[in-house]
Amino acid sequence: DAGVIQSPRHEVTEMGQEVTLRCKPISGHNSLFWYRQTMMRGLELLIYFNNNVPIDDSGMPEDRFSAKMPNASFSTLKIQPSEPRDSAVYFCASSLFLEYSTGASTEAFFGQGTRLTVV
Amino acid sequence: KNQVEQSPQSLIILEGKNCTLQCNYTVSPFSNLRWYKQDTGRGPVSLTIMTFSENTKSNGRYTATLDADTKQSSLHITASQLSDSASYICVVSARGGYNKLIFGAGTRLAVHP
Repeated sequence: DAGVIQSPRHEVTEMGQEVTLRCKPISGHNSLFWYRQTMMRGLELLIYFNNNVPIDDSGMPEDRFSAKMPNASFSTLKIQPSEPRDSAVYFCASSLFLEYSTGASTEAFFGQGTRLTVV
Repeated sequence: KNQVEQSPQSLIILEGKNCTLQCNYTVSPFSNLRWYKQDTGRGPVSLTIMTFSENTKSNGRYTATLDADTKQSSLHITASQLSDSASYICVVSARGGYNKLIFGAGTRLAVHP
């Protein structure tokens, strides 16, 4: 397996434009996470999906952010309209969730990230 | 509130020396604790994962310890190499429910020749 694949690797856009980040999780994994990383705040969980269903989106900063997972092999994170403060590295990660009662899961594998710059 | 605190925030050591990074957490009920290494410009990569019943786990020159009673973990790096320069992130997940990972802010390690 090629691991978690994210695209694009780098994105530079003007303020107000729509940005779409893409993620292909590892085949067979049933959990997918979107994170944002900045120097000031470290890694922040934005949203996570289990079996393609959004379970927790409490980390999504505001209505400008939206995420979808139409099937088990693809997810998108969209920012519309984008603002300079959205500049960060966005990571997608996937894992195999094993058991609800214990919260047991395999390790989470991260993609290489998308570095977003909004000017 | 579930939290993960790491110390020190940053560390500089000379090549060949050992170092220990600390992680304290308040996540409850506890499921597992992971240490990740993140090289600059790359995604985090898992080093170790420990459940409640494990108190030590090694991965090459990396040894993680866990004290579930005091809710503390440490990552010990032996005979450091230049390639160990990275951020080390402690991640804890809670027992029960979906596998939400709670991240520490990380320790930025620089190994100098």
